[in-house]
Amino acid sequence: GAVVSQHPSRVICKSGTSVKIECRSLDFQATTMFWYRQFPKKSLMLMATSNEGSKATYEQGVEKDKFLINHASLTLSTLTVTSAHPEDSSFYICSASGMDTQYFGPGTRLTVL
Amino acid sequence: TQLLEQSPQFLSIQEGENLTVYCNSSSVFSSLQWYRQEPGEGPVLLVTVVTGGEVKKLKRLTFQFGDARKDSSLHITAAQPGDTGLYLCAGDNQGGKLIFGQGTELSVKP
Repeated sequence: GAVVSQHPSRVICKSGTSVKIECRSLDFQATTMFWYRQFPKKSLMLMATSNEGSKATYEQGVEKDKFLINHASLTLSTLTVTSAHPEDSSFYICSASGMDTQYFGPGTRLTVL
Repeated sequence: TQLLEQSPQFLSIQEGENLTVYCNSSSVFSSLQWYRQEPGEGPVLLVTVVTGGEVKKLKRLTFQFGDARKDSSLHITAAQPGDTGLYLCAGDNQGGKLIFGQGTELSVKP
């Protein structure tokens, strides 16, 4: 199956700093990537849809200035959590859309101290 | 707003027992996916069902898509400890977005 990677897998940062998470489709081109947030033992919550070469579409209640998304190429989308606070601590998962299926990355555990 | 109601949310059973997880919606989906997720990892696709009434089998797992394409079920026969994990259903609304159910946390005890 298709492979999607995320980097870093874990990150710990201080409150007020910004953190960038990368999502790459390794063996296919993805015009659309999705970013999700997941709380412990809970389901995935869609944050935004990232389209290559255009602005991301954010779900209701998600601050676009807080969660910056860039989809500069067909294989890379980045999520930057700006001025992170402890309440932003979570598991962030991306997916890439290809071959009529969404393929999920392994997730990034963000801990904000 | 499209919603997928998944039940039960928690299930703890003994090895060898059977179980069924349900996903229900008032909306029609073009397809429905089932995923399994282990702690600290991303969801892994188990199956995609597309046709109303479709039944797919994956070893001890049986997936059904309702005739009206609004609901689906996952049945596991003779559960094993290795089946432990979070099971997620997700419906495709044709806009490319996946609508996820709440998830079912399954624990199979030896």
